[in-house]
Amino acid sequence: DQQVKQNSPSLSVQEGRISILNCDYTNSMFDYFLWYKKYPAEGPTFLISISSIKDKNEDGRFTVFLNKSAKHLSLHIVPSQPGDSAVYFCAASHSGTYKYIFGTGTRLKVLA
Amino acid sequence: DGGITQSPKYLFRKEGQNVTLSCEQNLNHDAMYWYRQDPGQGLRLIYYSQIVNDFQKGDIAEGYSVSREKKESFPLTVTSAQKNPTAFYLCASNLSGENGELFFGEGSRLTVL
Repeated sequence: DQQVKQNSPSLSVQEGRISILNCDYTNSMFDYFLWYKKYPAEGPTFLISISSIKDKNEDGRFTVFLNKSAKHLSLHIVPSQPGDSAVYFCAASHSGTYKYIFGTGTRLKVLA
Repeated sequence: DGGITQSPKYLFRKEGQNVTLSCEQNLNHDAMYWYRQDPGQGLRLIYYSQIVNDFQKGDIAEGYSVSREKKESFPLTVTSAQKNPTAFYLCASNLSGENGELFFGEGSRLTVL
């Protein structure tokens, strides 16, 4: 049972345009969400997070939107840069469990 | 510098052998985690530990064992009972175990020959 789903395995975007990565979850108890970026053979690096008490969080070129009623979150990257090409994972947790559940990842390719 | 150190980065083993992956952190974090990454399957949780001398099974604990004798260390043993051990293994930690950023190590690639 995949509690966190990233239904698009890959995405290609032109440099300078917006990249939108999507993530869906099924467990309504999740109250904290994170996005990570990962290069091959390296550990993931944290990008941005959002608590369920918010519906938007912004950090530079990265914005995360949370729609609790739809159990959906998205990561917007604007403008996209070639260095953004990587695999992006969303993750979710709920207070008191200490467990972080990750999605399957979306490979973003930013074309120069 | 503070961080998480995993070793070895690459490891080869023969079928039927146990192997232990090391994970050490100097971030003074309470919680530590082991994940496994396979192509197309994202990161799957193997074991996690909230405090010293305590740990819980994740979603795919079968064939693995861990210990948490020290706050800084959370080694993972891949036993011969693990049917598909070839994978990329990631160790992570965070401060309180509750909502907060997970910090990851660089990973260990295990290949079973």
